[in-house]
Amino acid sequence: KQEVTQIPAALSVPEGENLVLNCSFTDSAIYNLQWFRQDPGKGLTSLLLIQSSQREQTSGRLNASLDKSSGRSTLYIAASQPGDSATYLCAVKDDYKLSFGAGTTVTVRA
Amino acid sequence: NAGVTQTPKFQVLKTGQSMTLQCAQDMNHEYMSWYRQDPGMGLRLIHYSVGAGITDQGEVPNGYNVSRSTTEDFPLRLLSAAPSQTSVYFCASRTGSTEAFFGQGTRLTVV
Repeated sequence: KQEVTQIPAALSVPEGENLVLNCSFTDSAIYNLQWFRQDPGKGLTSLLLIQSSQREQTSGRLNASLDKSSGRSTLYIAASQPGDSATYLCAVKDDYKLSFGAGTTVTVRA
Repeated sequence: NAGVTQTPKFQVLKTGQSMTLQCAQDMNHEYMSWYRQDPGMGLRLIHYSVGAGITDQGEVPNGYNVSRSTTEDFPLRLLSAAPSQTSVYFCASRTGSTEAFFGQGTRLTVV
């Protein structure tokens, strides 16, 4: 059974600092990995999708890397802003379903 | 383009009542799924469908039924609501190995 872990569970940083969010998974036989953002009381917004054949994916200030062999992905958010405060979830797709981590809740202090 | 639409957004049920959570997508995605989100536990898969007429169970299917008569719709039925089913429910859709899109969620309280 795929287990997805996100550490730390919570993170507080001053504005302008770079954010590093970690995601690890136990079974490397994945099709892709997706990072989501969730604001309080809201749904999931897709940030980045990395296919299993890719090593990284970039969108604006966001960069996600994938090391399938070691079962790790990292989401980097450059020059954080208070608007980046949210919970970030990673999910791996294996066969028919997505397996989610519990998320990292980020607070960016102005 | 509406994406994935869930209704209702909020619902309070009494123990033993039944109800249907609606999910519709307009992206012609073949894969649709239902998740529940509970504090500290992440999202867990309830049921999923790989196309019209085809459904299967996920991790936590007990107490829920689904059907998929069209590509667009994937309703989730609670047969006899229990307090343990108090949760936030999300519907998602995708095609192949592309990104998954999620609805805004239904917040269900069972009293």
